[in-house]
Amino acid sequence: GAVVSQHPSWVICKSGTSVKIECRSLDFQATTMFWYRQFPKQSLMLMATSNEGSKATYEQGVEKDKFLINHASLTLSTLTVTSAHPEDSSFYICSASPSGQGTFSYTFGSGTRLTVV
Amino acid sequence: SQQGEEDPQALSIQEGENATMNCSYKTSINNLQWYRQNSGRGLVHLILIRSNEREKHSGRLRVTLDTSKKSSSLLITASRAADTASYFCATDAGAQKLVFGQGTRLTINP
Repeated sequence: GAVVSQHPSWVICKSGTSVKIECRSLDFQATTMFWYRQFPKQSLMLMATSNEGSKATYEQGVEKDKFLINHASLTLSTLTVTSAHPEDSSFYICSASPSGQGTFSYTFGSGTRLTVV
Repeated sequence: SQQGEEDPQALSIQEGENATMNCSYKTSINNLQWYRQNSGRGLVHLILIRSNEREKHSGRLRVTLDTSKKSSSLLITASRAADTASYFCATDAGAQKLVFGQGTRLTINP
């Protein structure tokens, strides 16, 4: 089955630094990947849609300059949290859908726990 | 914006009992999906039901969909301790976006 690898699984960083999270589709190509954010005991909120070879589409209220998304290949999307602050501490999850299979098939990464101190 | 609401928010039952979770949504959908999330982990896809389907089964899971009421239910029969997790419904309204409900935290007591 389709596998999405997300790395790192957890990271602790100091305020003001940047953190990069990788999302890879291991056995399929994905022209579109999605980045979600989840606070403790809450649901997943879509942050942005990552499109291979073009700019990401951000949801309302998500700062594109703070959450930089790069989708340079059909198997890799990265989310960089720039100038991180404690309020950015959260669980970030990516998902991907195999290209050409419509919207019915989504595979999620295992998530990244970001703690900003 | 979040469009799904789930109830109950938390459910605690004894092992072997059945667990029922409900999900309501607001707009028209192409399909509705249920996911499980173990604490601090990613999501695992459980089942998808299309808008023209009313009921679907997968092992111990049974999902219903009522598009007239914009609601869905997930039934887990003969629950096991390993079923302890959070369960989310997610609606696909197009543009490849999933919108998640608030989730139900299910605890199965041995």
